[in-house]
Amino acid sequence: EDQVTQSPEALRLQEGESSSLNCSYTVSGLRGLFWYRQDPGKGPEFLFTLYSAGEEKEKERLKATLTKKESFLHITAPKPEDSATYLCAVRPSGGGADGLTFGKGTHLIIQP
Amino acid sequence: EADIYQTPRYLVIGTGKKITLECSQTMGHDKMYWYQQDPGMELHLIHYSYGVNSTEKGDLSSESTVSRIRTEHFPLTLESARPSHTSQYLCASSEGKDYGYTFGSGTRLTVV
Repeated sequence: EDQVTQSPEALRLQEGESSSLNCSYTVSGLRGLFWYRQDPGKGPEFLFTLYSAGEEKEKERLKATLTKKESFLHITAPKPEDSATYLCAVRPSGGGADGLTFGKGTHLIIQP
Repeated sequence: EADIYQTPRYLVIGTGKKITLECSQTMGHDKMYWYQQDPGMELHLIHYSYGVNSTEKGDLSSESTVSRIRTEHFPLTLESARPSHTSQYLCASSEGKDYGYTFGSGTRLTVV
């Protein structure tokens, strides 16, 4: 069974304090790993797709990396507006329902 | 700027009522999805569609039904709402298996 585990569940940082969020996954063949940002009361907003181990992608203060078992979302010098829940999801390469398997997310709070 | 729209944003309804949650997208995507999300929990796939006249059930058992008569429209219907249906319902669309989803803002449903 495909599974995604995110840690920590919640993280409180001071503005400018860099850190990393973890996404561990087990999947029967990985077709893609996705990171989303979700603000309260809104739908998730797409950030990155990673396809193979060693791949990295960056967007502003965010950088996502991928290994064969996990992905990291690195946040450099975060600002209060980076506060949100960050979701990780995987798409298996096998058949079946063409949906993503999501983790529970990491709730990130950046204090001024 | 949202290209996928969900209405209503919030709905409080009595037990036994029939409801339809609307979802429309302007991107011409063939693939559309409905996810259910409870607070602090993962998103779970309840329905998906590969195109017009195509609908499938997702991983999470749901008493709801969907239809796909037009590419841009993917409504979800509950014939008889129950308190256990209280949740947030998120609609999404995608260009294809290798692409991320675009999510709507969601409908928060409360059944009393």
